[in-house]
Amino acid sequence: NAGVTQTPKFRVLKTGQSMTLLCAQDMNHEYMYWYRQDPGMGLRLIHYSVGEGTTAKGEVPDGYNVSRLKKQNFLLGLESAAPSQTSVYFCASSFSRGTYEQYFGPGTRLTVT
Amino acid sequence: AQSVTQLGSHVSVSEGALVLLRCNYSSSVPPYLFWYVQYPNQGLQLLLKYTTGATLVKGINGFEAEFKKSETSFHLTKPSAHMSDAAEYFCAVSDPKSGGFKTIFGAGTRLFVKA
Repeated sequence: NAGVTQTPKFRVLKTGQSMTLLCAQDMNHEYMYWYRQDPGMGLRLIHYSVGEGTTAKGEVPDGYNVSRLKKQNFLLGLESAAPSQTSVYFCASSFSRGTYEQYFGPGTRLTVT
Repeated sequence: AQSVTQLGSHVSVSEGALVLLRCNYSSSVPPYLFWYVQYPNQGLQLLLKYTTGATLVKGINGFEAEFKKSETSFHLTKPSAHMSDAAEYFCAVSDPKSGGFKTIFGAGTRLFVKA
């Protein structure tokens, strides 16, 4: 049982490049989330999904797109990276019922130069 | 709207001393409350949670927190700090009726433990 995994762990991009971050969970969770973590700002929700084939915007969605083609995977895309997107990105998942406690992946550290 | 305020971005204690990390929240409905811990270069993991019932909740590694509705607080405590407790701690509030995507995280408090 791997829990929530994220790939890659580190990435350096140049401004304007694109990339996709992959999140996978093996807990059969319905809900999945993408957050970014910046110093002194806690975690901010980028996008989330309440089920396969559905996505929705969170607090800071601009510049990102997501897809959830399979229940266990949640992809975060940056079409044209900007230095302001330098951050640590965390994926999380939870059940759709209960207390909504979230299970987090180990994070992806992205630097945009 | 919900919000979370963690008092103190950094807290330093000596090994064996009391740990107290403060969290105040704002919520228009009875909330679910959480404390998560993040060790260096890792993701967040759940430390403890309050949903309903007993207001004093116990978590892993000897931590506990008390939900005080009148004070809108959910402070985290541990009687005796250990070096391994050095980490960043996040308080979070969730609206039970709105699903997990309405969870709001505080800015975090980094705990330093001195030998």
